[in-house]
Amino acid sequence: EPEVTQTPSHQVTQMGQEVILRCVPISNHLYFYWYRQILGQKVEFLVSFYNNEISEKSEIFDDQFSVERPDGSNFTLKIRSTKLEDSAMYFCASSEDFGRQETQYFGPGTRLLVL
Amino acid sequence: DQQVKQNSPSLSVQEGRISILNCDYTNSMFDYFLWYKKYPAEGPTFLISISSIKDKNEDGRFTVFLNKSAKHLSLHIVPSQPGDSAVYFCAATRQFEGGADGLTFGKGTHLIIQP
Repeated sequence: EPEVTQTPSHQVTQMGQEVILRCVPISNHLYFYWYRQILGQKVEFLVSFYNNEISEKSEIFDDQFSVERPDGSNFTLKIRSTKLEDSAMYFCASSEDFGRQETQYFGPGTRLLVL
Repeated sequence: DQQVKQNSPSLSVQEGRISILNCDYTNSMFDYFLWYKKYPAEGPTFLISISSIKDKNEDGRFTVFLNKSAKHLSLHIVPSQPGDSAVYFCAATRQFEGGADGLTFGKGTHLIIQP
């Protein structure tokens, strides 16, 4: 069964450093998402992406975040200058269409720890 | 601002009995609801969904009920099995032609199935 994959599974970085989290969505999916879950809190929507541009973003997704689809398979989340509060699980998701009743399928997540 | 609330952080049910997980929402714009299951160190796995035009959707042992007037949905699992032990997240979104908002998640309910 096709699945969303994410790399790395864990990343430790120093505050102020840039990190890039990578995702390979399900191959025939056209819509891509990033979510995060801070330890002990709920899963929060960050951004959705379609046709090489951002479709929707939350207030969490500020100027230090960016997303890109550099090739036909990868979808990346870049955090330009990490802060301690960026420590979280980051989940990528994809869906086949934006249309009604579309289900988002999630990857296993990347655990980011900012020291 | 908890637009999606799961008021029971945990629920313990005996194997073979029915598990009922509850979810309330406040945003009347939500029109599509999903349940995800999550094991530790994994991403959320889609279980079942329901559109606001329905009041019930069934898939094997899983049934989701939606009460729009009460802004309440529930997930029934019957019979409960040991492999059902996980955290269950309720999620909601607003869908519109050509787009969709990101999912808004509840905080989750940890379901424990006891032998």
